[in-house]
Amino acid sequence: EVQLVESGGGLVKPGGSLRLSCAASGFTFSSYSMNWVRQAPGKGLEWVSSISSSSSYIYYADSVKGRFTISRDNAKNSLYLQMNSLRAEDTAVYYCARVVNTAMVVDYWGQGTLVTVSS
Amino acid sequence: QSALTQEASVSGTVGQKVTLSCTGNSNNIGSYAVGWYQQISHGAPKTVMFGNSLPSGIPDRFSGSKSGTTASLTISGLQPEDEADYYCSTWDYSLSAHVFGGGTKLTVL
Repeated sequence: EVQLVESGGGLVKPGGSLRLSCAASGFTFSSYSMNWVRQAPGKGLEWVSSISSSSSYIYYADSVKGRFTISRDNAKNSLYLQMNSLRAEDTAVYYCARVVNTAMVVDYWGQGTLVTVSS
Repeated sequence: QSALTQEASVSGTVGQKVTLSCTGNSNNIGSYAVGWYQQISHGAPKTVMFGNSLPSGIPDRFSGSKSGTTASLTISGLQPEDEADYYCSTWDYSLSAHVFGGGTKLTVL
């Protein structure tokens, strides 16, 4: 069974940093691209970042470019999101998601971790 | 302003067939498969369709199609448990980004 479990969320002050993790199991993690997707309170889904299976290709939404860094450790079946210079508008539930390699869309989602940026 | 356009709300009665649409352009829907995601009461999203594939565990009353730059999700035989927010997404090669629609709130009357 595919499982994606996020951790690392919490309350952080504006300008602060946070590192999210996603532990993957039930599939060959090193064979799949992965996404981070977020949802602000009362808003829709927003793509944050993507990383290919071997980390060769990395993409970011304009809203986080230069502040967030996506990475992965295939030996540990883990995905990460380093978030720096956090702003109030980064407050959201952050989801880890697996990408269907042949279709460039998501097939499995984690349960999400809440990040709150507030003084 | 979302890159993909969805109806804000759609409603139907139990047993009815409803169709949700997702409109983009040649850089996204016109070139790539579309994913459809169901979100109930702001819980975690669940994929109900990707491309023409139905994920395991999703009832076959869900089906997907695409024509040009518009994708559609059809639910045949609407059930009360189908009431949710539905989002579409795909890759956009001109933006080098995944793009989402703004979501459709489906109400089962």
